[in-house]
Amino acid sequence: GAGVSQSPSNKVTEKGKDVELRCDPISGHTALYWYRQSLGQGLEFLIYFQGNSAPDKSGLPSDRFSAERTGGSVSTLTIQRTQQEDSAVYLCASSPTVLSNQPQHFGDGTRLSIL
Amino acid sequence: DAKTTQPPSMDCAEGRAANLPCNHSTISGNEYVYWYRQIHSQGPQYIIHGLKNNETNEMASLIITEDRKSSTLILPHATLRDTAVYYCIVRVGNTGTASKLTFGTGTRLQVTL
Repeated sequence: GAGVSQSPSNKVTEKGKDVELRCDPISGHTALYWYRQSLGQGLEFLIYFQGNSAPDKSGLPSDRFSAERTGGSVSTLTIQRTQQEDSAVYLCASSPTVLSNQPQHFGDGTRLSIL
Repeated sequence: DAKTTQPPSMDCAEGRAANLPCNHSTISGNEYVYWYRQIHSQGPQYIIHGLKNNETNEMASLIITEDRKSSTLILPHATLRDTAVYYCIVRVGNTGTASKLTFGTGTRLQVTL
């Protein structure tokens, strides 16, 4: 069966440009999570969705970051006016619901490089 | 979430069992123990999780001590493809909102011929 799909797999862009990262969760999964992993660092939680709503946005690093989810499926993470410190691997995960006894399944991420 | 402690690295011969320990002495009664692994340039892969009882699936077994203060992930017959960083994570129980996964530094398992 299809896992979590993320696109693009790699993105190189110039400082100051906006970028949009896409996540296609496992079919039927209502919970969707965004993390980022900087070089040599652990995973940093950004935001999660329960259906189309995002109850917890506290992990977003700044107001340049936003995310949305429509139709309870695909989610996009948008970074405006990118900075070099935004360079990282952005990972998306999904799970059937938000219950803690259900594992989150990850995609392979989008590697974002800001020049 | 409770903190976990893992050895930074381990070696295992191919075909032998790999036993990866994790200490989580401050775990609370409603917190789950999760194991993930990450192979270079891939996203974290879910392996197994448990609350109190030992668990087994097609990938691994999870042994949780009776006091729940530590656990061991067992890969019964390690192969070269099991070389990865293994993360032990304690995840808070259901609170009505989603609980994030907090990855530590993990154990780098090297499987050798």
